[in-house]
Amino acid sequence: NAGVMQNPRHLVRRRGQEARLRCSPMKGHSHVYWYRQLPEEGLKFMVYLQKENIIDESGMPKERFSAEFPKEGPSILRIQQVVRGDSAAYFCASSFGTGYEQYFGPGTRLTVT
Amino acid sequence: KQEVTQIPAALSVPEGENLVLNCSFTDSAIYNLQWFRQDPGKGLTSLLLIQSSQREQTSGRLNASLDKSSGRSTLYIAASQPGDSATYLCAAIGRDSNYQLIWGAGTKLIIKP
Repeated sequence: NAGVMQNPRHLVRRRGQEARLRCSPMKGHSHVYWYRQLPEEGLKFMVYLQKENIIDESGMPKERFSAEFPKEGPSILRIQQVVRGDSAAYFCASSFGTGYEQYFGPGTRLTVT
Repeated sequence: KQEVTQIPAALSVPEGENLVLNCSFTDSAIYNLQWFRQDPGKGLTSLLLIQSSQREQTSGRLNASLDKSSGRSTLYIAASQPGDSATYLCAAIGRDSNYQLIWGAGTKLIIKP
């Protein structure tokens, strides 16, 4: 069984560009979560999605950030007009259902120059 | 609102010692608690998950306990090895939701050969 996959593993963007982070959940999982780890800080919840639905986006910054989980294909975390403060590790997790154990991907490390 | 604290922030011990890492949480009505390991620049490896109805879980040299009444969890590592050096994170799912992991800041563990 393939685990949770994230790509790219490392992403470098200049200020003002767009960043698109992808997450493919484990086989059989339809629930996806995104977490962010800022340098020297703990992980923080960003958003919880099920197929074609955003369940909870209370941890997402109000501007420039969006997430989707389409019926087909991976979940996408999109950051528009990136700034240096967006530099962080972004982790995706998936689960079989609400309340089930979350399995984490290797993360995408975003660097904004 | 659930808060998770880990003490100490860093710990250095000689190889072979048994050690305990501490995690405390403010809301005793947790759904479950999970311990992770994170190596520098790497992803998250799930070590143990304790459901709210359980008091402990064991995997190899690792044992995690949960005491909801005191708001504490401990991760016991027996016969430590240099390969155990990593940052150990605990995360709880609290009353507010049954999916949002609330993270501690981690304990950075160094095992000296």
